[in-house]
Amino acid sequence: TQLLEQSPQFLSIQEGENLTVYCNSSSVFSSLQWYRQEPGEGPVLLVTVVTGGEVKKLKRLTFQFGDARKDSSLHITAAQPGDTGLYLCAGVPAGTYKYIFGTGTRLKVLA
Amino acid sequence: DVKVTQSSRYLVKRTGEKVFLECVQDMDHENMFWYRQDPGLGLRLIYFSYDVKMKEKGDIPEGYSVSREKKERFSLILESASTNQTSMYLCASARPASTEAFFGQGTRLTVV
Repeated sequence: TQLLEQSPQFLSIQEGENLTVYCNSSSVFSSLQWYRQEPGEGPVLLVTVVTGGEVKKLKRLTFQFGDARKDSSLHITAAQPGDTGLYLCAGVPAGTYKYIFGTGTRLKVLA
Repeated sequence: DVKVTQSSRYLVKRTGEKVFLECVQDMDHENMFWYRQDPGLGLRLIYFSYDVKMKEKGDIPEGYSVSREKKERFSLILESASTNQTSMYLCASARPASTEAFFGQGTRLTVV
């Protein structure tokens, strides 16, 4: 059972464009994490969002946690080829101990 | 520097073989996890462990078992490998209630 759905699954854009990736669930999460994974490597943490409605910025990346703590978004401004990778959201659904991951969004930024 | 190490980057095994994937972490983390990663499905949790000799089933435990005899080592066992177990396997560790999991580099297993 996949509790974290990400959209879109694939995204190919030109350098300089903006994009938004979504992570949605019917479950509540005490926090959500966003990871980026490069080919041949394990995921690496980008950010954690904890409070409903929280917005965090990491250079050109903006992360938002939904008010109800059931969803999150990642917005990239002026994407660069170095942003290419697989983006994953993750967290522990309320009432469980399982650390689960979203379905992933594979981003390719063309120069 | 924190480290999670998986014993092999690439493995090729035959159908029916018993396969062991080893994972070691040097961060003294209580929690350890095994995931498999397949295109379009993200990372799916196979098993996890929150203490030595403790294990819990994840979302897709069928065909797998695990062993945690020491805190730093978490092994994934494919009792009788099948072709549908061809995948990338990722091990991770974390502190209890942590908001970050640390990953190994992954093992790409091919079952022929």
